[in-house]
Amino acid sequence: SYELTQPPSVSVSPGQTARITCSGDALPKQYAYWYQQKPGQAPVLVIFKDSERPSGIPERFSGSSSGTTVTLTISGVQAEDEADYYCQSADNSGTYVVFGGGTKLTVL
Amino acid sequence: QVQLVQSGAEVKKPGASVKVSCKASGYTFTGYYMHWVRQAPGQGLEWVGWINPNSGGTNYAQKFQGRVTMTRDTSISTAYMELSRLRSDDTAVYYCALVSPTRGYCSGTICYGFDYWGQGTLVTVSS
Repeated sequence: SYELTQPPSVSVSPGQTARITCSGDALPKQYAYWYQQKPGQAPVLVIFKDSERPSGIPERFSGSSSGTTVTLTISGVQAEDEADYYCQSADNSGTYVVFGGGTKLTVL
Repeated sequence: QVQLVQSGAEVKKPGASVKVSCKASGYTFTGYYMHWVRQAPGQGLEWVGWINPNSGGTNYAQKFQGRVTMTRDTSISTAYMELSRLRSDDTAVYYCALVSPTRGYCSGTICYGFDYWGQGTLVTVSS
């Protein structure tokens, strides 16, 4: 079955840049989405279609794509950005949705 | 405004079934795919499947095929997810999630990219 691979954890100090990657063979063909999830809450969409930002999401959140890897970048990380982040996409045939395993962002 | 309100927590014994509901409001229920996603305690998000509320068509993750059934009642704008032959590792929070009409993406037979989520329903499987 198709999988998306994320690093389990990323740690940065406040004000630094955090980069969270997501790798999958079908990513050149299928858009990726990114969600932020804080404890006890439902996920929130922070990036859609690889690099677009929904209204209401701070400009420090951005997304990019290169080949089989997509990247969520958080510039000038703030304490409130500490959360779990998940990428989402679909398999090559567009039959199944898949989530990455999630990355815990720790703000030191 | 769009709201997805799910049914309350459930406690079930192994081998039983559970049916979780998701009542939608604030948009045309039949217009957008509804997905179900679960999250076991301390674990990541896991896609369960989707239903097309207009046609009733469904597609399930391979892992759940044969055990999950998704249905809808358009008269009350409510989607349902039933999981049978429950095991202890089915203990999780189950979410319904709505594909965004403006930010979602459709490829093949599937549309994804969720703008709205229900509050989650905790299903506990324990003897």
